[in-house]
Amino acid sequence: GQQVMQIPQYQHVQEGEDFTTYCNSSTTLSNIQWYKQRPGGHPVFLIQLVKSGEVKKQKRLTFQFGEAKKNSSLHITATQTTDVGTYFCAGGGPNFGNEKLTFGTGTRLTIIP
Amino acid sequence: EADIYQTPRYLVIGTGKKITLECSQTMGHDKMYWYQQDPGMELHLIHYSYGVNSTEKGDLSSESTVSRIRTEHFPLTLESARPSHTSQYLCASRPGQRNYGYTFGSGTRLTVV
Repeated sequence: GQQVMQIPQYQHVQEGEDFTTYCNSSTTLSNIQWYKQRPGGHPVFLIQLVKSGEVKKQKRLTFQFGEAKKNSSLHITATQTTDVGTYFCAGGGPNFGNEKLTFGTGTRLTIIP
Repeated sequence: EADIYQTPRYLVIGTGKKITLECSQTMGHDKMYWYQQDPGMELHLIHYSYGVNSTEKGDLSSESTVSRIRTEHFPLTLESARPSHTSQYLCASRPGQRNYGYTFGSGTRLTVV
């Protein structure tokens, strides 16, 4: 079955430093979504990428979808304490719109003030 | 502001008991999902539904059942709870349009003793 891996599993950064998490799928994806889960909370949808090579930005967050649609990345510029949480990618299978999402293993970000 | 509601928020129950976790959404979403998540870990799909009278099994479904009699309601039932069922259960929904992410409920934290 489809597997989605994320690296690193944990990341500790000083406030103001940049952060990147990488997501890799064993199969080609129809789309990829990113979620943020605060400690003790539930996942919150951030963005969806659909096109090969797509890049989207949300303020300090930059999301990329690989050319082969098998990998993705999330980059945060100048981290803030509000960025703390676990970031999950979730890959959609081939039937876009009716796919089951396979969630990645997550990257837990902690910020050192 | 939550438009998808899960009850109970916390539940401690004895081994062998039958339990139903409730999930309701007021957004009119066709697609609904149940995920299981251990603390800090990835989400595993248990069941999903694409609409009324539609239910499908996910990766961890063998010990639970769901029903979808009404669009807004998607309960999950464990016929005989075991300590291995101790986890957080997250319900999510998504509209039929393809460009929307999942909206998650706050979850039910289940402990089986």
